[in-house]
Amino acid sequence: GQSLEQPSEVTAVEGAIVQINCTYQTSGFYGLSWYQQHDGGAPTFLSYNALDGLEETGRFSSFLSRSDSYGYLLLQELQMKDSASYFCAVRDAGSSNTGKLIFGQGTTLQVKP
Amino acid sequence: NAGVTQTPKFRILKIGQSMTLQCAQDMNHNYMYWYRQDPGMGLKLIYYSVGAGITDKGEVPNGYNVSRSTTEDFPLRLELAAPSQTSVYFCASTSGRMAYEQYFGPGTRLTVT
Repeated sequence: GQSLEQPSEVTAVEGAIVQINCTYQTSGFYGLSWYQQHDGGAPTFLSYNALDGLEETGRFSSFLSRSDSYGYLLLQELQMKDSASYFCAVRDAGSSNTGKLIFGQGTTLQVKP
Repeated sequence: NAGVTQTPKFRILKIGQSMTLQCAQDMNHNYMYWYRQDPGMGLKLIYYSVGAGITDKGEVPNGYNVSRSTTEDFPLRLELAAPSQTSVYFCASTSGRMAYEQYFGPGTRLTVT
């Protein structure tokens, strides 16, 4: 089957660094995406990794290891506005003509003052 | 660009009633999706479409129906509403080339009582 695992909750303080992990098990793999969703809002795209390594976008970075079926989202210099849910999502082998994503259950990040 | 729009924002249905959730996008995206998100959970794919006239079932299609007569519009029909369909419904779209980045509408909060 296909599954993604991520921690349900993470808490950190303002200004700190936090890492949200995601492990996946899929039949084939194209890449790993990350989305942010504030309470009551819609998911918004953060980053995408198709190849091994680190992708950096401002305070956010995302890492992928295809051999380990593992990725993480790194948030630096945490701000209160970063309090949200973060979802990893994979494109599996069946998505080449459909664009379908499989989403994890999400990690709720609480940033404390 | 308005992006992805959804109507209504909120709706309360009685058991057995029917309704249509509207979704439109102005980005000329071929791929469109309907998800449901239950409290504290990830996104589950209901139906998707890869172009006008082409639709297919996702992970949880029972109790729903869709149509795609134009590139812009992708309505979701609920027939004989049940309490299990109480959820937040998100419509999303993407281009084929960047299918890992989906654009989401603001969502429709549906309660069935």
